[in-house]
Amino acid sequence: SYVLTQPPSVSVAPGQTARITCEGNNIGSKSAHWYRQKPGQAPVLVVYDDSDRPAGIPERFSGSNSGNRATLTISRVEAGDEADYHCQVWDSSPDHVVFGGGTKLTVL
Amino acid sequence: QVQLQESGPGLVKPSETLSLTCTVSGGSINNYYWTWIRQSPGKGLEWIGYIYYSGTTTYNPSLKSRVTISIDTSKNQFSLKLTSVTAADTAVYYCARGSYYGRGDYWGQGTLVTVSS
Repeated sequence: SYVLTQPPSVSVAPGQTARITCEGNNIGSKSAHWYRQKPGQAPVLVVYDDSDRPAGIPERFSGSNSGNRATLTISRVEAGDEADYHCQVWDSSPDHVVFGGGTKLTVL
Repeated sequence: QVQLQESGPGLVKPSETLSLTCTVSGGSINNYYWTWIRQSPGKGLEWIGYIYYSGTTTYNPSLKSRVTISIDTSKNQFSLKLTSVTAADTAVYYCARGSYYGRGDYWGQGTLVTVSS
């Protein structure tokens, strides 16, 4: 079955750029989506179809996807960005959704 | 603004059937994929499956033998049944509105279901 691998944790100082990766075999051929989940809350979509942002998500959130890696980039990181981030793709062998294990972003 | 709300028992005995309902408000249930996702304590997200408003379903292969998702468009509700539960099924269960390729744009707040005797 298809596997997505995320680093368990990423740390960044306020104002810096955070990059959270999601690795999977030829993930660049799939559409990747990213969710932010704060403690005790439901996930919120922050990037979809590799690099699009839903309404209301700041431009600081961006995404890319190529080869075997998709990346969520958060620019000018703020304390409020501290959360778990999950990547997701659709696998068609057979049809189903796959999530990465999640990455905890810590703002130092 | 679309809102989703999960409801159902918070405690289920081992070997019994977990049943949850998601009520959709603020929008039509038509033309979307209605999804169940769960998250075991301290773990990542696990997709359970979804149902199109027409009734077509797709399930996670790892759960397929135990899962049934149904929909009642007249009530703007869809439901999850998971049979033969064990402690490993203890999780927060979320319902969500999604796309064909699984993107979830609106989520419920989640409901904790504990499997224990």
